[in-house]
Amino acid sequence: AQSVSQHNHHVILSEAASLELGCNYSYGGTVNLFWYVQYPGQHLQLLLKYFSGDPLVKGIKGFEAEFIKSKFSFNLRKPSVQWSDTAEYFCAVNPLSGGYNKLIFGAGTRLAVHP
Amino acid sequence: SAVISQKPSRDICQRGTSLTIQCQVDSQVTMMFWYRQQPGQSLTLIATANQGSEATYESGFVIDKFPISRPNLTFSTLTVSNMSPEDSSIYLCSVLSDISYEQYFGPGTRLTVT
Repeated sequence: AQSVSQHNHHVILSEAASLELGCNYSYGGTVNLFWYVQYPGQHLQLLLKYFSGDPLVKGIKGFEAEFIKSKFSFNLRKPSVQWSDTAEYFCAVNPLSGGYNKLIFGAGTRLAVHP
Repeated sequence: SAVISQKPSRDICQRGTSLTIQCQVDSQVTMMFWYRQQPGQSLTLIATANQGSEATYESGFVIDKFPISRPNLTFSTLTVSNMSPEDSSIYLCSVLSDISYEQYFGPGTRLTVT
């Protein structure tokens, strides 16, 4: 079955620390990849996406992610986190054989940034 | 991007009753989706709702339990029927942009079944 794995369920960092959240998926075909963020009390927002082209994509608020096809991975990174990055982060995969519709989400990673 | 609203934002319901959740988007979209996010878990797709056709349900979800309407290109409803405490969850509406192919999410409806 298609699945998305996020390796860390809870991450605690101090401000200015670097962040990397892992995401791996199990699907052999072409995929679109997404990271969503949910700040406390807010709804899901798109952080960044990969459809094709440069495997290193940049999103909002200084986040970036790298698609490594051979590893079926799409890890999220930020060089220096801020307290305002405290949120839950979800990796999502759209297997294109199903058309532009079905998003399969990972379990999410709760990030807490301490000042 | 699309602006999506949902009603109600939260509700507490009795076992055995039904609740209809409304989703309104500020622009016309072909595809709308309904997701469920159970406590402490990730999002699971319930069904895809295209205007003018029957909703397509994912494995584990059936029309009798979760009937969906899609009367036009900006509106959809999801009904949670014959509720049990296991239906306590956040239900989210989502739309696919016909231009960017990005999915946008509504604020969710927090349902508690007692």
